[in-house]
Amino acid sequence: QQPVQSPQAVILREGEDAVINCSSSKALYSVHWYRQKHGEAPVFLMILLKGGEQKGHEKISASFNEKKQQSSLYLTASQLSYSGTYFCGTERPNTGNQFYFGTGTSLTVIP
Amino acid sequence: DGGITQSPKYLFRKEGQNVTLSCEQNLNHDAMYWYRQDPGQGLRLIYYSQIVNDFQKGDIAEGYSVSREKKESFPLTVTSAQKNPTAFYLCASRLGTEAFFGQGTRLTVV
Repeated sequence: QQPVQSPQAVILREGEDAVINCSSSKALYSVHWYRQKHGEAPVFLMILLKGGEQKGHEKISASFNEKKQQSSLYLTASQLSYSGTYFCGTERPNTGNQFYFGTGTSLTVIP
Repeated sequence: DGGITQSPKYLFRKEGQNVTLSCEQNLNHDAMYWYRQDPGQGLRLIYYSQIVNDFQKGDIAEGYSVSREKKESFPLTVTSAQKNPTAFYLCASRLGTEAFFGQGTRLTVV
C-alpha cells in the first residue's frame, strides 16, 4: 500500500515555509525524498534510515519519527526553484528490492 | 555520461495494439523499475527486476509485460489487455539507496 502524503497540493509565496508529510500504517524500512519538476525525471533529495533521524540539505530538511511511520519534509524560505511534485519513497520489507512511492505533493511557489 | 535513457518521449497507440517502451541504463545497476504516473496518484510500481532474467510484479502489473535479457535493458510492453494505458511512464534503476530516473515516456491511446 502506498504511503499517503499530505497535503496533496500547496501554493506558497516566495519566502514562505512548507511542510510535506509522508505517513504509513506500518513502520517503514527507510524514507527517501524526491522532487520532480514538471516534465522532468524525479531527482533524489535525501534518505533517512533511522527512527528519530533528522537530515538537512540547504534549506530543505527532513525528519523520520521514532516509530518510523511518518516522515516530514521541511522547506524553509521557499524559492521559485522549489516548485515541483515531491514524493516520498521506501522499500517494501522482505521483497528484495521492491521500491515504491507515496501519493505525491504538488508544490507551487509564486512570486 | 552515465544515465538512463527512455524512448520514445511521446508515443501514440491505437486501441487494441501492443506497444513497447524502451529503457536503457549504463550505470551498471542491477535493479530496474517501471512506474506509471497519473495525476493525483503519484508513482505506482508496475514491474521491477533485481537481476538479469528475473523480474517481479509490482502493484499494477495487469496488462503489462517486461523482459530483462541484458543488465542494461528493461523494456516494458503495454498490451491490449491494459484497459487504461494513457499515462506517463518512468523507468528507474537503483544501486544502494538512490534511484535514478529516465526522462519518461508519455503514452497516449488514440
